[in-house]
Amino acid sequence: EPEVTQTPSHQVTQMGQEVILRCVPISNHLYFYWYRQILGQKVEFLVSFYNNEISEKSEIFDDQFSVERPDGSNFTLKIRSTKLEDSAMYFCATEDRVITGELFFGEGSRLTVL
Amino acid sequence: GDSVTQMEGPVTLSEEAFLTINCTYTATGYPSLFWYVQYPGEGLQLLLKATKADDKGSNKGFEATYRKETTSFHLEKGSVQVSDSAVYFCALRDSGNTPLVFGKGTRLSVIA
Repeated sequence: EPEVTQTPSHQVTQMGQEVILRCVPISNHLYFYWYRQILGQKVEFLVSFYNNEISEKSEIFDDQFSVERPDGSNFTLKIRSTKLEDSAMYFCATEDRVITGELFFGEGSRLTVL
Repeated sequence: GDSVTQMEGPVTLSEEAFLTINCTYTATGYPSLFWYVQYPGEGLQLLLKATKADDKGSNKGFEATYRKETTSFHLEKGSVQVSDSAVYFCALRDSGNTPLVFGKGTRLSVIA
């Protein structure tokens, strides 16, 4: 069964460092998302991406965050200068060309900022 | 804005017990409602959904009915198994193009 894969599974970084989280979407999916979950809190929407551009973003997704699909396969989330409060589980999700509401999620990347 | 509230966990049940996980929502429009499940070490996966009032979503013995009058979408299962141990997320989507809005998740542990 096709699946969304994310790397790394866990990253520990120092505050102020740049982090890139990677996602390989399901091949025929056209809509891509990043969500995050701070420990004990809700799964929060960060950004959606379609047709090589951001289609929607939340208040969390400030100038420190960026997304791109550099080679037509990987979908990346970059945090330019990490803060302690960026520590969370980051989930990539993808959706097929018919918007059904069924998002397919990766296993998540746990980011720990020290 | 749109939001989802689900019961706090963790929930611990014995095998074959009845499960209810409450979920209520607020939405500006007429949302579709979902339950996602996350098994240990895996990503979230869709468990069931309902797109209009009084619809019942069902899968793997789980059921949830879209109740517009009470703005609820409670998850139920008549007899849980150890393999149902997971985190369950209630979610809504207000229209086809808007992001999914999730609740906090409820951790279920089923013991033999």
